[in-house]
Formats: sequence, structure tokens, C-alpha cells
Amino acid sequence: GAVVSQHPSWVICKSGTSVKIECRSLDFQATTMFWYRQFPKQSLMLMATSNEGSKATYEQGVEKDKFLINHASLTLSTLTVTSAHPEDSSFYICSAGHIGALEAFFGQGTRLTVV
Amino acid sequence: GQNIDQPTEMTATEGAIVQINCTYQTSGFNGLFWYQQHAGEAPTFLSYNVLDGLEEKGRFSSFLSRSKGYSYLLLKELQMKDSASYLCAVIKAAGNKLTFGGGTRVLVKP
Repeated sequence: GAVVSQHPSWVICKSGTSVKIECRSLDFQATTMFWYRQFPKQSLMLMATSNEGSKATYEQGVEKDKFLINHASLTLSTLTVTSAHPEDSSFYICSAGHIGALEAFFGQGTRLTVV
Repeated sequence: GQNIDQPTEMTATEGAIVQINCTYQTSGFNGLFWYQQHAGEAPTFLSYNVLDGLEEKGRFSSFLSRSKGYSYLLLKELQMKDSASYLCAVIKAAGNKLTFGGGTRVLVKP
């Protein structure tokens, strides 16, 4: 199957700082990438959908200015959590899809802890 | 919108069978996925159903009834390592956008 690499796997940052998470498709061109957030013992909640070269589409209730998404190439999307606060602490997971495949492939996830 | 419902938690004994149900209501449907997720890890793909009926893959089987908006995942010969969350997810007709149910935590006891 296709491989999606997410980095870092975990990060601890101070409140008020920004954190960037990278999602790379290693062996295919990802026309679409999805960013999810998962709080403990809850399911994955879609935050936004990003298409290469265009602006991301955010789900209702997700702040665009706080969660900046960039999908500059067909193999890389980044999520930047700006001015992070403790309530942003969560597990962030990306998935990548490409034309012709229904299945999207998941990255390993990033555990963000804001202290 | 989409509503995807599955039980929160189930407990079963090693060697037994467990069936996890998932019901959904969606404005567009292009298939249903089941994923397994161990704590702190990303989901891993288990199965995909787009037509009615049963798909079998080793110890895991998944069933779909589109008219009823219903699916189940059947885990046979349970092993301790099967203790995990099982996520039902629906994909709409356009794009690869997945909407997940709340997940079912399965605990396998000796």
C-alpha cells in the first residue's frame, strides 16, 4: 500500500508558540490531504481538506487562522497550530488520497502537548 | 449531514466472536470502511464495502446493507492483540473524504 509519513510523531511546546506538522506521501502523488484531530477516547474529527495548489476547506467550527494548512506540492502538506494553548493538545493525523483511489492512507499521527 | 453510530464499548473473551454494528445516515454514499486503531497509533485499514453483502478477510468479515444504512464488522477467533478501537467510516460520492463514527473500544479478556 501507499506510504504516508507524518512528522514529528510527538511534540511538546509552550503555550503561545506555534507548531508545524508535516505530512508527506512517499510513493504517490497526493492530490488531496486530510487533517484530523482526535481527543482521548474519541473518534477522528475531520478538521480540513487540502488540495494541492489551492486553499484548504475547513470543517465547521475549525478556526482557519489558528490551524494554517499549506499544500504546496503533490507530496507535502503542512498543518501549523498557531498560538497553541493547552486545549489544542491532541492527536493530529493526516491522510492522503489520490485520483483513482477511494482509500486514503494515514500518517502515523502527531501527539501534541501544549504546556 | 452524516450520522454514524456504533456502540462505545464491547467486551469479549479470547477465542470468541464479536460483532460490531454501525448504522449511518448520509446524503451521499460511496462506500464504508472499517479501521482498527490501537491507542496512540494511526488507524489501519481493515475492510471496504460498497456493494451489499459480506466481505471476508481471514478472521475479519464486514457486511453492508445499503438499503438499511447498516454495516457490521465480525471478528472471529479473538486474540488479545485484537483489543483496540474499531472505527466505521463512510465515504461520500465525491472525493476521498471520510466521516468517522465514534469508534467502538473492544476489550478482549483471557
